[in-house]
Amino acid sequence: QSALTQPASVSGSPGQSITISCTGTSSDIGKSNLVSWYQQYPGKAPQLIIFEVTKRPSGVSNRFSGSKSGHTASLTISGLQVEDEASFYCCSYAGSMTVIFGGGTKLTVL
Amino acid sequence: QVQLVQPGAAVARPGASVKVSCEASGYTFGTYTLHWVRQVPGQGLEWMGWINAGSGDTKYAQRFQDRVTLSRDTSASTGYMELSSLRSEDTAVYFCARKNVGYVFDIWGQGTMVTVSS
Repeated sequence: QSALTQPASVSGSPGQSITISCTGTSSDIGKSNLVSWYQQYPGKAPQLIIFEVTKRPSGVSNRFSGSKSGHTASLTISGLQVEDEASFYCCSYAGSMTVIFGGGTKLTVL
Repeated sequence: QVQLVQPGAAVARPGASVKVSCEASGYTFGTYTLHWVRQVPGQGLEWMGWINAGSGDTKYAQRFQDRVTLSRDTSASTGYMELSSLRSEDTAVYFCARKNVGYVFDIWGQGTMVTVSS
């Protein structure tokens, strides 16, 4: 099973908004709302920032928001800050108690 | 504090096996499922499988099915990932992660860098 499709990189300036897409199939993203997003800094473990498509864990900034339409999930970061520069990964339940990740998107804040 | 602690690094020879540990603390180990995810340097996250820390039930990703074994020691609140028939392409960081409700990975270990080298 191939990884979910994400753009390799996105960039934006401080204060701007960016959106990262994550495209799957009817077997994963299109099948349920069990889509989550993780932020990863170099050399660190991933950290959960969005779960069940739109929900934010306690402590995560409301500048991060998620959505889904059909087989594509999206992560939007508003009011970009320099500290947002990291890699972002989407993740979806893929049926039969398995999970699939996206290929990852490197965010550069110019 | 809830955490998963892994060793920082491990080295193994091609063709051999490696076993990575993941010690849980701050929560009841047996009430959660532990997943394993790997990351080849410079690449993305790849899901490997899970173990139900209470029942010991396991599920593996198809591409690792023949080479990975997940186990746990409930008395030590520790999960283990053993990967066999190692090749250079298995050089990667291996993470354990606690699954919460809804296939959410809310707690991650810091990762173990496994280097496969002769």
